[in-house]
Amino acid sequence: EIVLTQSPGTLSLSPGERATLSCRASQSVSSSYLAWYQQKPGQAPRLLIYGASSRATGIPDRFSGSGSGTDFTLTISRLEPEDFAVYYCQQYDSSPYTFGRGTKLEIK
Amino acid sequence: EVQLVESGGGLVKPGGSLRLSCTASGFTFSNAWMNWVRQAPGKGLEWVGRIKSKTDGGTTDYAAPVKGRFTISRDDSKNTLYLQVNSLQTEDTAVYYCLWFGGSGWYWGQGTLVTVSS
Repeated sequence: EIVLTQSPGTLSLSPGERATLSCRASQSVSSSYLAWYQQKPGQAPRLLIYGASSRATGIPDRFSGSGSGTDFTLTISRLEPEDFAVYYCQQYDSSPYTFGRGTKLEIK
Repeated sequence: EVQLVESGGGLVKPGGSLRLSCTASGFTFSNAWMNWVRQAPGKGLEWVGRIKSKTDGGTTDYAAPVKGRFTISRDDSKNTLYLQVNSLQTEDTAVYYCLWFGGSGWYWGQGTLVTVSS
C-alpha cells in the first residue's frame, strides 16, 4: 500500500501570500497518478489537480501542481479568502488507492 | 454533464446492513471503473473499494478495514453502482461517496450518510 504523507499538517498564512503544500509517497507513483482536492466544511471534496499537474475544469490558474515519483507539491500562488480549507492528495496508481491525511490551510 | 447520485444511507444498529446505490449519468457507465470512498465525521478521506468494468473482468478490490464485510456490484442496465455493507460497526459511520475517473479527472457524487448507532 502506498502511504501518502502530507505536510505541514496546518499552514497559517494571510490572503495574498503563497502557499506550498507537500505530499510525499512511500513508493513511486508512476505515470503521475496523483490528485489534489480542496474540501470545505459540509461539502464534498472538490478536485483541483489530476495527473499531478493538470488543472480540473473551472479551477483558477493560481492553483498549480507539480512533482513526480515520490514528491508532489500543490502551490497556490496568491491566496484568496475562499482558499482557506483542507487539502488532500490522493494516489490512484495502484490499489488500494490512498489519500493523505490532509493539510489545513488557515487564516493567520 | 457527469452526474453521480448516491442514496440508501441512514441510521442502522451495530451488526446491521444497508445497500447503498449510486446512479450515474453523462458517461458510458458500462465502460467505467467505479469507486467508493468514505469520510467519517471530522476525519479524512478513505478509499473503500473499486469495481472494474465487465469488459475488464468486473473484478473488485477492497480496503483492508472493509474486506469481507462490504461488497461492490453494478447493474450496467440501470447505470447503477451498489455498495452492500454488512456487519456494520460504529467506526463505519461516515459519508459514502461514489467516484469515477474520466478524461478530465475524478468525478464525485454528493455522498450519502451512514450512521451506525444503537
